[in-house]
Amino acid sequence: DVKVTQSSRYLVKRTGEKVFLECVQDMDHENMFWYRQDPGLGLRLIYFSYDVKMKEKGDIPEGYSVSREKKERFSLILESASTNQTSMYLCASSPSTSGANVLTFGAGSRLTVL
Amino acid sequence: AQSVTQPDIHITVSEGASLELRCNYSYGATPYLFWYVQSPGQGLQLLLKYFSGDTLVQGIKGFEAEFKRSQSSFNLRKPSVHWSDAAEYFCAVGAGGYQKVTFGTGTKLQVIP
Repeated sequence: DVKVTQSSRYLVKRTGEKVFLECVQDMDHENMFWYRQDPGLGLRLIYFSYDVKMKEKGDIPEGYSVSREKKERFSLILESASTNQTSMYLCASSPSTSGANVLTFGAGSRLTVL
Repeated sequence: AQSVTQPDIHITVSEGASLELRCNYSYGATPYLFWYVQSPGQGLQLLLKYFSGDTLVQGIKGFEAEFKRSQSSFNLRKPSVHWSDAAEYFCAVGAGGYQKVTFGTGTKLQVIP
């Protein structure tokens, strides 16, 4: 069964800490995505990557960065966590650059920033 | 830019009753449309998708959706709801390029006995 694995399901961090959220997919997908999910706001795209070492800003990139050194791994980085970054973070992948692909999601990482 | 509207934040239905969840989209070209479901504490799972062709699409778990271009809608339906269908449902529209997908704000479904 294909999988997108997010290494941390729950994290609690303090304001100002650097936070790494890791995502690994085993489907050899080209595209990977980070979304943020908040009640009443749905899912909002933070960053995506269509190839190794390539990245594109989504709709809400401020306060975040990403890294994709290997095809299977896509990391979301909060350089200095703030309380307004408390949220559920969802990683997803898809197999090609066409507009018709289906996203496969991980189970999510719930981050609390105190 | 594309957008998706799900006008119903929360819906309650009785088990065995029919269900329709509304979705309206805005996109300048032919859209790629999706419905995803999220059970509590889980990621999102694809229910069904529309790319082209027959405007009535069938999905998993007995769900179907109909694409109506004239109404810019892609409503999700199920003839008889089961208690296990209680979850949050997201409509999404895909654009070209690098597969940017925009999601609606979700509709939370409660099923009562």
